[in-house]
Amino acid sequence: SQQGEEDPQALSIQEGENATMNCSYKTSINNLQWYRQNSGRGLVHLILIRSNEREKHSGRLRVTLDTSKKSSSLLITASRAADTASYFCATRRGGGADGLTFGKGTHLIIQP
Amino acid sequence: DSGVTQTPKHLITATGQRVTLRCSPRSGDLSVYWYQQSLDQGLQFLIQYYNGEERAKGNILERFSAQQFPDLHSELNLSSLELGDSALYFCASSGQLGGSNTGELFFGEGSRLTVL
Repeated sequence: SQQGEEDPQALSIQEGENATMNCSYKTSINNLQWYRQNSGRGLVHLILIRSNEREKHSGRLRVTLDTSKKSSSLLITASRAADTASYFCATRRGGGADGLTFGKGTHLIIQP
Repeated sequence: DSGVTQTPKHLITATGQRVTLRCSPRSGDLSVYWYQQSLDQGLQFLIQYYNGEERAKGNILERFSAQQFPDLHSELNLSSLELGDSALYFCASSGQLGGSNTGELFFGEGSRLTVL
């Protein structure tokens, strides 16, 4: 079963604009991670935010976490054509022994 | 390059057959995870091994089995294949011995299985 659900399912924006993707999850978490997947390729880790953190930055990425609402958002600023990919949130429940549970992803298209 | 190697990259087989997918984790990683990705089900966690022992089980069918060997490579065996087993199968690794485990997974490029 899916733990995280991304929203929107698909997003198309112009190069240079900001892209925001949201993720909601159901149970308590230890941390939440975002991954990127280029078409047909393996997933690549982008950023991890722990349950006691509210915001984290990495380059053009900004992630927020609201544990009271069980939601997270990923903001990509100044988007580039190379950002075109699917983005997944993933949660790890306490204990860390049961793998990451991924949502179905947001497919982001950056129009040049 | 994540450092995780999966073979074969592509596999085409017939219903009822059995296949083995192989994964070599990142050097030093003790945990190996197997995921199945299909259009309708998304990314499904199948199973995790840690240092040769099964650690966690997800949505893995009884027709599927896995193991992790002493050299830490892992194999996923899929038997009595059905059309619905066609998917991308990913292996991921984590857990550096002696290092801090940040919790991130390092994914291979996947094995694309097509069952005809």
